[in-house]
Amino acid sequence: GAVVSQHPSRVICKSGTSVKIECRSLDFQATTMFWYRQFPKQSLMLMATSNEGSKATYEQGVEKDKFLINHASLTLSTLTVTSAHPEDSSFYICSARDGGGGLYNEQFFGPGTRLTVL
Amino acid sequence: DAKTTQPTSMDCAEGRAANLPCNHSTISGNEYVYWYRQIHSQGPQYIIHGLKNNETNEMASLIITEDRKSSTLILPHATLRDTAVYYCIVTLSGNTGKLIFGQGTTLQVKP
Repeated sequence: GAVVSQHPSRVICKSGTSVKIECRSLDFQATTMFWYRQFPKQSLMLMATSNEGSKATYEQGVEKDKFLINHASLTLSTLTVTSAHPEDSSFYICSARDGGGGLYNEQFFGPGTRLTVL
Repeated sequence: DAKTTQPTSMDCAEGRAANLPCNHSTISGNEYVYWYRQIHSQGPQYIIHGLKNNETNEMASLIITEDRKSSTLILPHATLRDTAVYYCIVTLSGNTGKLIFGQGTTLQVKP
């Protein structure tokens, strides 16, 4: 089946620094990737939709200048949390949709990245 | 906002069938029903999806009512590894659909 990887799996950083998270589709081309955030004991919240070669579309309430998304190739999207603060500590999960032109909306999820901001 | 309603939690005995209900009374004609599950601290895993016909795969069966206002995910022989949060999601197909996760059902499979 389709595999999506994320790197790093865990990151701890100091307040005020920026953190980059990578999401890769390993065996398929993903024209669309999605970024989610999940706080403890809560559901996943969609942050943004990323299409290869174009600007990301952010969900309402998500700061685009704080969460920079780049989808430079069909297999890689990156999320940069700029000037991270403790309230940004969360589980960040990406997903990728196969760009093979299929009808369905099946998304393949990465294993997630645990961000802790001290 | 999520368009589905699911019970917060359910228990199931190991080896028995787990039946997880989902209400989606406002579903439109071109929206599909998708089921994903999330095991603790992992990314969600696709289970099954359907439009109006019942569907079955190696993981589960999906039963959709004739009026499409509700559905049931069936895990025929639940194991301890099936303990997870199960999400029922209604979305458009193709390139316009997004997955909006509700609170899901926490299924606890007990020995």
